[in-house]
Amino acid sequence: ETGVTQSPTHLIKTRGQQVTLRCSSQSGHNTVSWYQQALGQGPQFIFQYYREEENGRGNFPPRFSGLQFPNYSSELNVNALELDDSALYLCASSLGRNQPQHFGDGTRLSIL
Amino acid sequence: AQSVTQLGSHVSVSEGALVLLRCNYSSSVPPYLFWYVQYPNQGLQLLLKYTTGATLVKGINGFEAEFKKSETSFHLTKPSAHMSDAAEYFCAVTLNSGYSTLTFGKGTMLLVSP
Repeated sequence: ETGVTQSPTHLIKTRGQQVTLRCSSQSGHNTVSWYQQALGQGPQFIFQYYREEENGRGNFPPRFSGLQFPNYSSELNVNALELDDSALYLCASSLGRNQPQHFGDGTRLSIL
Repeated sequence: AQSVTQLGSHVSVSEGALVLLRCNYSSSVPPYLFWYVQYPNQGLQLLLKYTTGATLVKGINGFEAEFKKSETSFHLTKPSAHMSDAAEYFCAVTLNSGYSTLTFGKGTMLLVSP
């Protein structure tokens, strides 16, 4: 059984640029959640997708957006990057909206 | 709204000693509670979860946690620490709502010395 995979593993961008992070959910999982983990902090919920629809959003500005595809893989897009966007971005998938979430290893994004 | 407080950003134990990581939660409705472990440069791995039923929950790697509603606590314990347990541990809470957003604590780094 293939777990949650994220790409790329590391990324360096400059302020003002745009970035797309990708996540392949675990086989059979129809729900994907994205989290931002700043250094020394716990993960913060960004949003969740369930069957291709946004199903909840945390306290993040609209420049954070996402997509879920028919195969349940997902993308996180961030526009107009700021220095504070430097963090580990974690994707988690689950069998449903109230099922335990399984995490990928994350994408570490550094903004210069 | 829900929140999680983890007491102690760092906990140090000797190999073979008891591990106790503290977690208190705030929730307006009965919560679901989780403990996750994060090793360096990796994502989070689920250790154990409490949803309903038995309040003492056993997880992987010899860890267990007890849900105490009167104390709003969900402390994580392990009788005997191994060097391989050194990692960061996160307590998280979610509500039985339409979407299962997890609210995490700030984490506790467990250090194990020989």
